[in-house]
Amino acid sequence: SYELTQPPSVSVSPGETARITCSGDALPKRNAYWFQQKSGQAPVLVISEDKKRPSGIPERFSGSSSGTVATLTITGAQAEDEADYYCFSTDITTTYGAFGGGTKLTVL
Amino acid sequence: EVQLLESGGRLVRPGESLRISCAASGFTFSVNAMVWVRQAPGKGLEWLSRIGGSGDTAHYSDSVRGRFVVSRDNFRNRLYLQMNNLRVEDTALYYCAKPKLGFWGRGTLVTVAS
Repeated sequence: SYELTQPPSVSVSPGETARITCSGDALPKRNAYWFQQKSGQAPVLVISEDKKRPSGIPERFSGSSSGTVATLTITGAQAEDEADYYCFSTDITTTYGAFGGGTKLTVL
Repeated sequence: EVQLLESGGRLVRPGESLRISCAASGFTFSVNAMVWVRQAPGKGLEWLSRIGGSGDTAHYSDSVRGRFVVSRDNFRNRLYLQMNNLRVEDTALYYCAKPKLGFWGRGTLVTVAS
């Protein structure tokens, strides 16, 4: 199996920039994907292929990746962005997928 | 519109078996690999299994390998997960998904308890 590591929690004030990291050995070669999950709902893709923003996702969401660390950035976080965020990727062979442990974003 | 609809989740006892299903529509199911993901109550997402579009390749996480079997019926656009020797720790909401494209169902709840 493959593992991705995220911080358990991140806290910012409204309007500040939130950064959530995801580390994994295969990330230099494999894309990272980011999901937002609010309570009782299915996950929603907010960033694909390291830095692509799907249709309908606000511009304040962006992604980047350098070496073994991928980063989700929310520029000007809003109260509605409070949620759990998960990164997803695959191992170097693309045989196994993995989600990070999730990061609870608090905006207060 | 892409739709994934899981079904079959219910309460079972430890050691029992259960098969859950996922009905897919709105995309060309037969050429797409699919994934099963679960989420235990209050916990994070866990990748369980991936099956290739033709069904000829399947891979599993360490936690379910040897107990769970993924399969698909490309004529009926259905994905299945056969779960054997269920344990209390398998209690979770089970999603079928294609994560890289952002396709997720709403999940089906499997509860394992005596």
